[in-house]
Amino acid sequence: QQQVKQSPQSLIVQKGGISIINCAYENTAFDYFPWYQQFPGKGPALLIAIRPDVSEKKEGRFTISFNKSAKQFSLHIMDSQPGDSATYFCAASMRRTNFNKFYFGSGTKLNVKP
Amino acid sequence: GAGVSQSPSNKVTEKGKDVELRCDPISGHTALYWYRQSLGQGLEFLIYFQGNSAPDKSGLPSDRFSAERTGGSVSTLTIQRTQQEDSAVYLCASSLQTGKYNEQFFGPGTRLTVL
Repeated sequence: QQQVKQSPQSLIVQKGGISIINCAYENTAFDYFPWYQQFPGKGPALLIAIRPDVSEKKEGRFTISFNKSAKQFSLHIMDSQPGDSATYFCAASMRRTNFNKFYFGSGTKLNVKP
Repeated sequence: GAGVSQSPSNKVTEKGKDVELRCDPISGHTALYWYRQSLGQGLEFLIYFQGNSAPDKSGLPSDRFSAERTGGSVSTLTIQRTQQEDSAVYLCASSLQTGKYNEQFFGPGTRLTVL
């Protein structure tokens, strides 16, 4: 059973638009939620992360929104650029047991059209 | 400093042969992970090493898969009697363990093709 469910599988956005990727989880023990960005031929790299004690975290054009009661979190990319075209993975981990073990979503392939 | 490195970058093998994939983690990182990424799919956890503790092998898909980490540094993932469904990109990651939320740093992966 997949611990973290991610949608959509693929996304096409015009340059300057907002890209939104959603993730949902069931295990309330999760307490760390990173997003990773992967370009073709490269390994994933950490983009931004959030802990459940805050509802939003913003870094530049990238924002994570977190809804603890709904057990959902999402990545918003404002003013999307062609250089943002990549695959994005959400993940979750639980610190009190094995906080270095990440459960990844299935990924979203983002294509930003010029 | 240097990131996580993996070798080979590409490996083509025949069904039934054994393969070894190598990972060199970032120096000083005590945790090391192996993941499998099938075409268009997410990251499937395979195995996790942390210091001198027994590895977490809960993600290994079959007994054909094994991994070791020598001297707390370099790791080798071995797949015996490869099958076509083993074709995927195998990613290695490493991290510190400092009691906080630790970022995993990924290598570029090894693309395995089983003919």
